[in-house]
Amino acid sequence: AQSVTQPDIHITVSEGASLELRCNYSYGATPYLFWYVQSPGQGLQLLLKYFSGDTLVQGIKGFEAEFKRSQSSFNLRKPSVHWSDAAEYFCAVGATLHGNQFYFGTGTSLTVIP
Amino acid sequence: DVKVTQSSRYLVKRTGEKVFLECVQDMDHENMFWYRQDPGLGLRLIYFSYDVKMKEKGDIPEGYSVSREKKERFSLILESASTNQTSMYLCATLKQGVEAFFGQGTRLTVV
Repeated sequence: AQSVTQPDIHITVSEGASLELRCNYSYGATPYLFWYVQSPGQGLQLLLKYFSGDTLVQGIKGFEAEFKRSQSSFNLRKPSVHWSDAAEYFCAVGATLHGNQFYFGTGTSLTVIP
Repeated sequence: DVKVTQSSRYLVKRTGEKVFLECVQDMDHENMFWYRQDPGLGLRLIYFSYDVKMKEKGDIPEGYSVSREKKERFSLILESASTNQTSMYLCATLKQGVEAFFGQGTRLTVV
């Protein structure tokens, strides 16, 4: 069965520090992978996506993610965090099987301290 | 840009009421979804629809139903609202089977 795991429920970083949010997935074929961000009281906004090709993908707001097939991972990174990055982050796997479903991780809440 | 509009940002309903949450999209996407979001549980799929008048149960359909009479509109119905349905509800559409676009969410409180 398809699943997405975000092992870190909550992360706190200092402004200007680097960030890595972890995501592992379980899927029977080559997955379509996504990271979404949700600011308080808002819907989800797409940060970046991986369909195929270069395993390092660039997204909006200075984020990047790397697909590692051998580790079934798609970790999100940012070299220098800004206070406005404080939000909830969701990793997702897109499936092209029946119903074209999306599978989400449980999310990682990011706090940024001055 | 794709626009997914949920009719209400905040709703307060009483236990036992029938509640309708509306979602409208403007990009002619076939697939539409309803999720609920709760702290520590992430997004859980309630129902989805891949065509007009078609619907499929997600992971937590109990206590909910849906309606898709027109391609652009997907409604979530709480037949008899209960306090355990207090949650954030998110509607989404799917582009070409792989990229999801979300509405702003409806925060429902059942008292």
